[in-house]
Amino acid sequence: RKEVEQDPGPFNVPEGATVAFNCTYSNSASQSFFWYRQDCRKEPKLLMSVYSSGNEDGRFTAQLNRASQYISLLIRDSKLSDSATYLCVVSRLSGGYNKLIFGAGTRLAVHP
Amino acid sequence: ETGVTQSPTHLIKTRGQQVTLRCSSQSGHNTVSWYQQALGQGPQFIFQYYREEENGRGNFPPRFSGLQFPNYSSELNVNALELDDSALYLCASSSDRVASTDTQYFGPGTRLTVL
Repeated sequence: RKEVEQDPGPFNVPEGATVAFNCTYSNSASQSFFWYRQDCRKEPKLLMSVYSSGNEDGRFTAQLNRASQYISLLIRDSKLSDSATYLCVVSRLSGGYNKLIFGAGTRLAVHP
Repeated sequence: ETGVTQSPTHLIKTRGQQVTLRCSSQSGHNTVSWYQQALGQGPQFIFQYYREEENGRGNFPPRFSGLQFPNYSSELNVNALELDDSALYLCASSSDRVASTDTQYFGPGTRLTVL
């Protein structure tokens, strides 16, 4: 079993739709949580950090449930430019260094 | 742009050869992490360098090795290349090796193809 598991996707949605991505992590020692966005053949870029209280950045809302070890990302009013792969990422200390553990990603395709 | 650069952008090698990939970290960052991303997968942690020393290592064999230089730039070396080494290799720089909230900034990656 992978340490970070995501919805397999792909998600094909029309413009304006609301789409939700789910992610679970298995190591309770995980300390920080992120969503990264990766465009085709490009590097991952930080979309947003995820906090226990939930946080919002424009059309994007992220939630964390530490008890269930569950992370979510909600995208409202989808745009064509949101088409990308969304990577769920956890961070934890391991042997004195900070390591990022990535899920396999969920691909989103927004169509007109 | 993150300020993290990598070279080369693309590389084609044959099995058994050796390769060196390079990364320049963002100004002020002393920590560089390397990741391997196979097609359809998320990036997998290879190792991390902090102030010229290997600071942590993922589940990769010893033929994956690295260096960090006094200016905090870094190299990833892979010996005895195998077909499964074909992947996007990403480096990420950060300013703190232990703060889990510290953002890691990724370079554009080097796409390695092993034939």
